[in-house]
Amino acid sequence: DGGITQSPKYLFRKEGQNVTLSCEQNLNHDAMYWYRQDPGQGLRLIYYSQIVNDFQKGDIAEGYSVSREKKESFPLTVTSAQKNPTAFYLCASSPGTAYGYTFGSGTRLTVV
Amino acid sequence: AQTVTQSQPEMSVQEAETVTLSCTYDTSESNYYLFWYKQPPSRQMILVIRQEAYKQQNATENRFSVNFQKAAKSFSLKISDSQLGDTAMYFCAFMKPLGGGAQKLVFGQGTRLTINP
Repeated sequence: DGGITQSPKYLFRKEGQNVTLSCEQNLNHDAMYWYRQDPGQGLRLIYYSQIVNDFQKGDIAEGYSVSREKKESFPLTVTSAQKNPTAFYLCASSPGTAYGYTFGSGTRLTVV
Repeated sequence: AQTVTQSQPEMSVQEAETVTLSCTYDTSESNYYLFWYKQPPSRQMILVIRQEAYKQQNATENRFSVNFQKAAKSFSLKISDSQLGDTAMYFCAFMKPLGGGAQKLVFGQGTRLTINP
């Protein structure tokens, strides 16, 4: 079945450490997105990519980086520059405006 | 600013009752898309229903329907014959163009709905 796979489900990061969250889709969607979800704040856009080898900053890109080397893959790196990384991270893809997004199951990142 | 407002942080109803979740939005676009997403305790975001602004007919998906009032910029979700499995966080969202063919979903803060047995 087509869908989006995020891994790992839970991730623990030490202070000063970079970590990478994986997002893979087999839906053949061009557009992919990363959102951060905090309690009481809804979802906020971190980065998005419309096409391979191109990506754009969203509303809260500071402390994060991404790559889009393959259509299927859009990994997110949470760098040590992100001062408050503890959150739930959701990856999504979309075939176009009218269809909304398909979401992955998320990664819960905790700083220890 | 293009924003989405959900004024009900929490709601609770009995099983089999009908419940309506409110959503208002603000946009200067003439045509756009609106969505309701459900996030159960598993935290998987699931598309419930969508509405295209130029269509006057309200969208319906089984027990879920919307009341779309374009002039008032209101997009409420009605759940009929509510079931225990409807317990979830519900997010209203608006698709905002970013330029260059890109778009993003702008989400409201969510309404936590509990269906009681």
